[in-house]
Amino acid sequence: EAGVAQSPRYKIIEKRQSVAFWCNPISGHATLYWYQQILGQGPKLLIQFQNNGVVDDSQLPKDRFSAERLKGVDSTLKIQPAKLEDSAVYLCASSPGTRNNEQFFGPGTRLTVL
Amino acid sequence: LAKTTQPISMDSYEGQEVNITCSHNNIATNDYITWYQQFPSQGPRFIIQGYKTKVTNEVASLFIPADRKSSTLSLPRVSLSDTAVYYCLVGDHTGGFKTIFGAGTRLFVKA
Repeated sequence: EAGVAQSPRYKIIEKRQSVAFWCNPISGHATLYWYQQILGQGPKLLIQFQNNGVVDDSQLPKDRFSAERLKGVDSTLKIQPAKLEDSAVYLCASSPGTRNNEQFFGPGTRLTVL
Repeated sequence: LAKTTQPISMDSYEGQEVNITCSHNNIATNDYITWYQQFPSQGPRFIIQGYKTKVTNEVASLFIPADRKSSTLSLPRVSLSDTAVYYCLVGDHTGGFKTIFGAGTRLFVKA
């Protein structure tokens, strides 16, 4: 069974530039998560989708971050404009449902903002 | 805010049993306790999940007392490759059924 795919794996941009990350969850998984993980910290949930609807985006900085999950499958996370403090690993995960379900994580995208 | 508390770091030697305890005083009735493992430059990986008493799989055991306010992840006979960060999670009900990762426990296994 294929795992969660993410691209790119690495990205370096300058502050105020835009960047987008892509995630392809495990086939059939209804729930998709985007996390931000700053070095030395645990992952912080940015947004959670159930199919193509948003379940929780309370920690998403909506003035600069946006995410969508068209057709309830793939998802993109965008940052516009980027700030230095956005340097982190962005992890995508998927699970069959929501409550108490195991989450399967992708390898992440390491973003460096200069 | 994370709903769990666990030690920041632990050291062990190869071949020893390691027990990592997590406190979750406000766990809800229907919540499960889940542990994840994360190696550097990788996403977290599910280890084990339980609701009460004891759960065992090929990787670890999870001990949960009757009051469910804490849990202990037990790793038998650790090896160098078990060096990783271990996260304890319980379901969070604030604003939905999201789960929150804390800072985790950094386990360092020495030869």
